[in-house]
Amino acid sequence: KQEVTQIPAALSVPEGENLVLNCSFTDSAIYNLQWFRQDPGKGLTSLLLIQSSQREQTSGRLNASLDKSSGRSTLYIAASQPGDSATYLCAVKAAGNKLTFGGGTRVLVKP
Amino acid sequence: DAGVIQSPRHEVTEMGQEVTLRCKPISGHDYLFWYRQTMMRGLELLIYFNNNVPIDDSGMPEDRFSAKMPNASFSTLKIQPSEPRDSAVYFCASTFRASGVTGELFFGEGSRLTVL
Repeated sequence: KQEVTQIPAALSVPEGENLVLNCSFTDSAIYNLQWFRQDPGKGLTSLLLIQSSQREQTSGRLNASLDKSSGRSTLYIAASQPGDSATYLCAVKAAGNKLTFGGGTRVLVKP
Repeated sequence: DAGVIQSPRHEVTEMGQEVTLRCKPISGHDYLFWYRQTMMRGLELLIYFNNNVPIDDSGMPEDRFSAKMPNASFSTLKIQPSEPRDSAVYFCASTFRASGVTGELFFGEGSRLTVL
């Protein structure tokens, strides 16, 4: 059974500092990995999708890497801003089209 | 496209009442998923459809829960009778699969259910 873990559960950084969010999964037989952002009381917004054949994806200040063999992905957010405060979730898609989510990392960027 | 549309956004009901949640997926998407989110258990997959056909409902907690997708643009999740432990945010999400590659999963804003 696929298990996805995100550590730490919460993170607080001063504005301008780079953010590093970690995601680990137990079964490396995945189709893709997706990072989401969730604001309080809102739905999930897709940030980046990495296919299993890719090693990284970039979008603006966001960069996500994928190491299937070690079961890890890292989301980097450069030069954090208070507007980046949210919960970030990673999810992996394996056989059966099921997406398994991590518990999320709650980020607070202090001005 | 307006994205995945869910209704109602908020529902407060009493124990024993029937609850129906609705979802309109993004046009052209052939997969639809229902998730439930709680503080204790995070995001849980309840059921998903492919081309309007239920593929995996192993996450549906009990017989009180049922889901239908009568056509490509509409799905419902029904709880009858509802119980306080069903209180959660219910999300609908959709995606597509083309050339063997699965696309991004797009979520609706969710339906926050409170059962008193």
